[in-house]
Amino acid sequence: GENVEQHPSTLSVQEGDSAVIKCTYSDSASNYFPWYKQELGKRPQLIIDIRSNVGEKKDQRIAVTLNKTAKHFSLHITETQPEDSAVYFCAARAQAGTALIFGKGTTLSVSS
Amino acid sequence: NAGVMQNPRHLVRRRGQEARLRCSPMKGHSHVYWYRQLPEEGLKFMVYLQKENIIDESGMPKERFSAEFPKEGPSILRIQQVVRGDSAAYFCASSESSGEEQFFGPGTRLTVL
Repeated sequence: GENVEQHPSTLSVQEGDSAVIKCTYSDSASNYFPWYKQELGKRPQLIIDIRSNVGEKKDQRIAVTLNKTAKHFSLHITETQPEDSAVYFCAARAQAGTALIFGKGTTLSVSS
Repeated sequence: NAGVMQNPRHLVRRRGQEARLRCSPMKGHSHVYWYRQLPEEGLKFMVYLQKENIIDESGMPKERFSAEFPKEGPSILRIQQVVRGDSAAYFCASSESSGEEQFFGPGTRLTVL
């Protein structure tokens, strides 16, 4: 089955710096890759997703890149702000009708 | 349009009791997914249901755990004879169709004493 690895597990940056979180997946059939943000004690919320027919997607300060050959995808946050501090999860899904498989999460801390 | 609702938000049970967790999907959503999150860990898939059908239960423990999504009413995750290791946050998510974005509920935090 699918296996998703996520790195780093913790990431500390200064306000205004960029943050990059990387994930690798094992199932070459996976074609949907969402990223979720979870603040302490709250529900995971989708922040951006990418499908396998696209190499990059951007939404304001957030971007995701996908390399299908290498089976990895990354989240990039530019001009980080303290409110970006949270746990970020990547996930992969092999096909519609199957489960999302999540990475173990990255705790991002942005200090002002 | 209300989001995904879960209740109770917090549930305390003693070892050996039963826990019932409820999930009401977003309006118009007929696909429900249950995930378990242990402290400082990721979300682990448990079961995927459509109305009256279990589509994928590959993540469910073989014993004590069951799930249903009846034609009317919420989806229910049932844990019989709870043990301390069942203490976790249980999230459900719903989607409009199988290939679409999953929206998460606020979770139920189960504590087993």
